[in-house]
Amino acid sequence: QLQLQESGPGLVKPSETLSLTCTVSGGSISSSSYYWGWIRQPPGKGLEWIGSIYYSGSTYYNPSLKSRVTISVDTSRNQFSLKLSSVTAADTAVYYCARQADRTPLWGGGADFDHWGQGTLVTVSS
Amino acid sequence: DIQMTQSPSSLSASVGDRVSITCRASQSISRYLSWYQQKPGKAPKLLVYAASSLQSGVPSRFSGSGSGTDFTLSISGLQPEDFATYYCQQSFSILPYTFGQGTKLAIK
Repeated sequence: QLQLQESGPGLVKPSETLSLTCTVSGGSISSSSYYWGWIRQPPGKGLEWIGSIYYSGSTYYNPSLKSRVTISVDTSRNQFSLKLSSVTAADTAVYYCARQADRTPLWGGGADFDHWGQGTLVTVSS
Repeated sequence: DIQMTQSPSSLSASVGDRVSITCRASQSISRYLSWYQQKPGKAPKLLVYAASSLQSGVPSRFSGSGSGTDFTLSISGLQPEDFATYYCQQSFSILPYTFGQGTKLAIK
């Protein structure tokens, strides 16, 4: 059974860099069928996609965050990571990692998040 | 960005009822629309992808329909565990993927 688990500091100071890691178990991050993504949710608000990565290292990011985001993958550890620089209070959110299913083979396109980690709250405060 | 607008933002219903939630895209997204269920303190759960395909393990009382700009998630015979917040998500435009603002389904 596939499981994803986020880890990292729960408190980050303004202007510093938020760093989180997602550990995948019960399946290989090197599967050709999937990307791996980060999504966040500010307290009491909706969902925002941050970015996604393929096991080869290919990435794409939300343009609104692109200048501050780096997502990387470590296939030897079955992990992928998120770095968000120059954080402010607006970056306070629950951060989720998720497996991204590519529906292109069957539907000619489309992608969705079919397995999620439990989420981790990151608070930006001095 | 493609804007996704859900309606209503909240609704109340009783166990056994049939309810529908609508998601409208700001431009055509073909059938690249997914639905998620989120309970308090939990991660979202994928219910429907490609507008009408039920994710494995999801009860058949959930169904999705639509194409282009207008989509619907329907739940027939509401169960107590269905009271949650529901989100739609488009993947026609990958930069960026966008979600609706959510619809909170509460017990009447």
